[in-house]
Amino acid sequence: GAVVSQHPSWVICKSGTSVKIECRSLDFQATTMFWYRQFPKQSLMLMATSNEGSKATYEQGVEKDKFLINHASLTLSTLTVTSAHPEDSSFYICSAGTPIGPYQETQYFGPGTRLLVL
Amino acid sequence: GENVEQHPSTLSVQEGDSAVIKCTYSDSASNYFPWYKQELGKRPQLIIDIRSNVGEKKDQRIAVTLNKTAKHFSLHITETQPEDSAVYFCAAGAGSYQLTFGKGTKLSVIP
Repeated sequence: GAVVSQHPSWVICKSGTSVKIECRSLDFQATTMFWYRQFPKQSLMLMATSNEGSKATYEQGVEKDKFLINHASLTLSTLTVTSAHPEDSSFYICSAGTPIGPYQETQYFGPGTRLLVL
Repeated sequence: GENVEQHPSTLSVQEGDSAVIKCTYSDSASNYFPWYKQELGKRPQLIIDIRSNVGEKKDQRIAVTLNKTAKHFSLHITETQPEDSAVYFCAAGAGSYQLTFGKGTKLSVIP
């Protein structure tokens, strides 16, 4: 199957700092990447959809100025959590869309980044 | 938008028994239904999926059924093993790209 990497796997930072998370599709080109947030024992909450070369589409309630997304190439999308606060502590997972048939994609997930803001 | 309901939230079965997880969706335009397995602290892994032009799909001990009229689909795991213990998520998508996920089912297989 398709391989998606994510870096870093975990990060601890001080309140007020910014953290950048990278998501890469290693063996395929992904025109669409997704960023999710997952709280303990809860489901995946879509934060934004990232398309290569264009602005990300954010879900309702997600602050685009706080969660900056850049999809600079067909294999790389980045999520920057700006001025992080303790309430931003969470498990952030990216996924990359890859075609499984005409007009249809499935998503393969990265391993996730665990963020702890002190 | 799409709304996906998943039941049960927790499920315990004896090793060797079958497990069934059910999901319903609201958007009749949805035509792609994947299932993901997530072990603790790890990424969700796609285990099986089905498209709306198919009623059932099977892969060894795992099968998925889809009833488009009733807007529900189910995951069936037969001959469960301890390594099947994980959280399972269903999802629904229309055409391509975006998926809406259910809240997950924590499956525990008791040896």
